[in-house]
Amino acid sequence: RKEVEQDPGPFNVPEGATVAFNCTYSNSASQSFFWYRQDCRKEPKLLMSVYSSGNEDGRFTAQLNRASQYISLLIRDSKLSDSATYLCVVNGRGGNQFYFGTGTSLTVIP
Amino acid sequence: DAGVTQSPTHLIKTRGQHVTLRCSPISGHKSVSWYQQVLGQGPQFIFQYYEKEERGRGNFPDRFSARQFPNYSSELNVNALLLGDSALYLCASSNSGSLEQYFGPGTRLTVT
Repeated sequence: RKEVEQDPGPFNVPEGATVAFNCTYSNSASQSFFWYRQDCRKEPKLLMSVYSSGNEDGRFTAQLNRASQYISLLIRDSKLSDSATYLCVVNGRGGNQFYFGTGTSLTVIP
Repeated sequence: DAGVTQSPTHLIKTRGQHVTLRCSPISGHKSVSWYQQVLGQGPQFIFQYYEKEERGRGNFPDRFSARQFPNYSSELNVNALLLGDSALYLCASSNSGSLEQYFGPGTRLTVT
């Protein structure tokens, strides 16, 4: 079983739409969770850390569900500039290994 | 402040050759991690170094090795290159006490 599973999409949504991505993880001992954004042929950029209590940054909301072992990312009022691949990241054993999902592709359509 | 830098940007090698990739972390960051990203996949963890010591190793063969220098820069070495080693190699640095990683632009390696 993969450490992190993510629906690859693609998600094609109109501008202004709300879109949500989920990511499941297999190691119940994982402590740290993140969402990264990666544009085509660029490096991943940290979007937000995911805290147990959930966190919000403008139009972006991240949530953690430990019981069901998944994290989610909600994007409200989608902009064309949100088009990218979104990667979820979970730390592994010892906290020194990080597992990335395969990424979910989002295209926001005018 | 400069972000994470990597060199070279692109590299073409032949099967069986050896390659060295270099990374300089963000100033003040003492931890460096290496990842391999093949097309259509997420980055796969190779190594993490902190204060010149290996702190984590992913599921990669012994042909892959790395080290970190006193100035916290790092090298990734790959011996006996295979076609399947063709990928984007990413370096990420993080600050002490934080697990948030910041990535460099990567080195795109092509093995022919």
